[in-house]
Amino acid sequence: DGGITQSPKYLFRKEGQNVTLSCEQNLNHDAMYWYRQDPGQGLRLIYYSQIVNDFQKGDIAEGYSVSREKKESFPLTVTSAQKNPTAFYLCASSFRQGGFNEQFFGPGTRLTVL
Amino acid sequence: GQSLEQPSEVTAVEGAIVQINCTYQTSGFYGLSWYQQHDGGAPTFLSYNALDGLEETGRFSSFLSRSDSYGYLLLQELQMKDSASYFCAVRGYSTLTFGKGTMLLVSP
Repeated sequence: DGGITQSPKYLFRKEGQNVTLSCEQNLNHDAMYWYRQDPGQGLRLIYYSQIVNDFQKGDIAEGYSVSREKKESFPLTVTSAQKNPTAFYLCASSFRQGGFNEQFFGPGTRLTVL
Repeated sequence: GQSLEQPSEVTAVEGAIVQINCTYQTSGFYGLSWYQQHDGGAPTFLSYNALDGLEETGRFSSFLSRSDSYGYLLLQELQMKDSASYFCAVRGYSTLTFGKGTMLLVSP
């Protein structure tokens, strides 16, 4: 079955540690996205990538980093510079031009920094 | 930049019809999407309007007026399983900008 996987579902880290969230898709989508969701809030875009080896900052990129070495994978690193990292992180993918109004989302990773 | 406004919460009973409104201000607009998210789950795509008018998909319909920077999602024959958060999202050139969501509570 095609889809997007994120792991782990729940993640706990100590303050000051970097942590990497995994996102893999087998939908053959060109574009991938990372969003952050806080309680009662909408989705805010962190980073996105439209093609391998290229990515752009979203609205709240500070304290985060990404890589796109493979079409299927778009890992997100939450660095110690992110002041309030506890949140629900959602990865999504879509076809590139003309189709990205429909994004397919993974199940999310809930990160708690203690 | 982009900003979207939608009500924070709407309540309705099973079998009823409910409308969730979305107004937006944007510097680049290609269309309006709607997503559903059950508590703790992944958002799922419901509809997309690029042109003015009504799009119908089963019990759900979505409307767009580009001149009024306004759209709505209409849910008919409400079921308990429709209790969820609904997000409108403006499509820009390369990305979506989401509203804060409307929590729909359906009661028996």
